[in-house]
Amino acid sequence: DVKVTQSSRYLVKRTGEKVFLECVQDMDHENMFWYRQDPGLGLRLIYFSYDVKMKEKGDIPEGYSVSREKKERFSLILESASTNQTSMYLCASGVYEQYFGPGTRLTVT
Amino acid sequence: DAKTTQPPSMDCAEGRAANLPCNHSTISGNEYVYWYRQIHSQGPQYIIHGLKNNETNEMASLIITEDRKSSTLILPHATLRDTAVYYCIVRIIQGAQKLVFGQGTRLTINP
Repeated sequence: DVKVTQSSRYLVKRTGEKVFLECVQDMDHENMFWYRQDPGLGLRLIYFSYDVKMKEKGDIPEGYSVSREKKERFSLILESASTNQTSMYLCASGVYEQYFGPGTRLTVT
Repeated sequence: DAKTTQPPSMDCAEGRAANLPCNHSTISGNEYVYWYRQIHSQGPQYIIHGLKNNETNEMASLIITEDRKSSTLILPHATLRDTAVYYCIVRIIQGAQKLVFGQGTRLTINP
């Protein structure tokens, strides 16, 4: 079975903090994705990566950066957390089918 | 990607087959039908996909009409754990693509 894990299920951070969200997949997928999901707005793509050290902006990259130093790991970084980044963050990997992690519910106070 | 239409909600009794419909009348020849579901507060889960033939896996069956304008996801013996929002999407398979979910169908399995 494909397994995508995320470093935390719940996270509470203060405004201005730097936040790291980690995602690891065990299926040797080249493609990995970071989404956020908000009520009424659905799933929105932040960044994706199609290979190690390669990244592409999604629809809402502002305020975020990513890192992919190893194929299995894709990290999302909030450089300076703000309250409007309170959301459910979902990592996915795969090509034709995307397999999602359990999600990280981030609250920025 | 072609637009899909799903009923906003459905109920099904535990142990019965749950049949979830999806209309995709503007689907193009190279677009696949995909189904995902999302249980409350969890990440979306891939279920199944198909192009034109019916497909079955350990989770569900996918029935696509001959004209490909609609499809049905069948959960053969629904359990309480199948209560979730089910999303039908159509998409071309190429490169790294984002997923875009519509409103989906909220399926409630009743004991």
